[in-house]
Amino acid sequence: DQQVKQNSPSLSVQEGRISILNCDYTNSMFDYFLWYKKYPAEGPTFLISISSIKDKNEDGRFTVFLNKSAKHLSLHIVPSQPGDSAVYFCAAFIQGAQKLVFGQGTRLTINP
Amino acid sequence: GAVVSQHPSRVICKSGTSVKIECRSLDFQATTMFWYRQFPKQSLMLMATSNEGSKATYEQGVEKDKFLINHASLTLSTLTVTSAHPEDSSFYICSAPRQGNTIYFGEGSWLTVV
Repeated sequence: DQQVKQNSPSLSVQEGRISILNCDYTNSMFDYFLWYKKYPAEGPTFLISISSIKDKNEDGRFTVFLNKSAKHLSLHIVPSQPGDSAVYFCAAFIQGAQKLVFGQGTRLTINP
Repeated sequence: GAVVSQHPSRVICKSGTSVKIECRSLDFQATTMFWYRQFPKQSLMLMATSNEGSKATYEQGVEKDKFLINHASLTLSTLTVTSAHPEDSSFYICSAPRQGNTIYFGEGSWLTVV
């Protein structure tokens, strides 16, 4: 049972435009969500997180939106830069357990 | 800078031998650390939760005798792959929560068993 889903395996965006990465979840017990960026043969790099009591968190070019009623979150990157090309994972956990459940990942390619 | 550090980043070992991978939290204490495995083009799979001062908790399907986990101190957890076989070749990654809700990952360790 895939509790966290990223339905788009890949996404291509023009440099300078907005990249929107989507993530859906099924477990309403999740109360914390995180986004990670990953290059091949490297560990994931933490980008941004959001608590379930919020609907938006912004950090520089990265903004995460959470829609609890739809069990959906999205990561917006604007403006997109070539260095943003990587695989992006969304992850969720239940406070106290801290066991991350990952989505399958979305490969983002930023085209010049 | 790195928050969680893994060592070695790459290791090649002969089939039948054991390999140890270290995961260290830098500048913070981690009573809990997590070990993941990633197969090519797949998501990260949680193998086990490492608990300082007590036994690790393994996920279903993970052999605890094969993947020995020791959380020796508040800043160090080790994963030992015992009697390694080629199918154990993979990318192993550890993580640790810092300040409660932000979980940081190590750089990862490539294991190749020949």
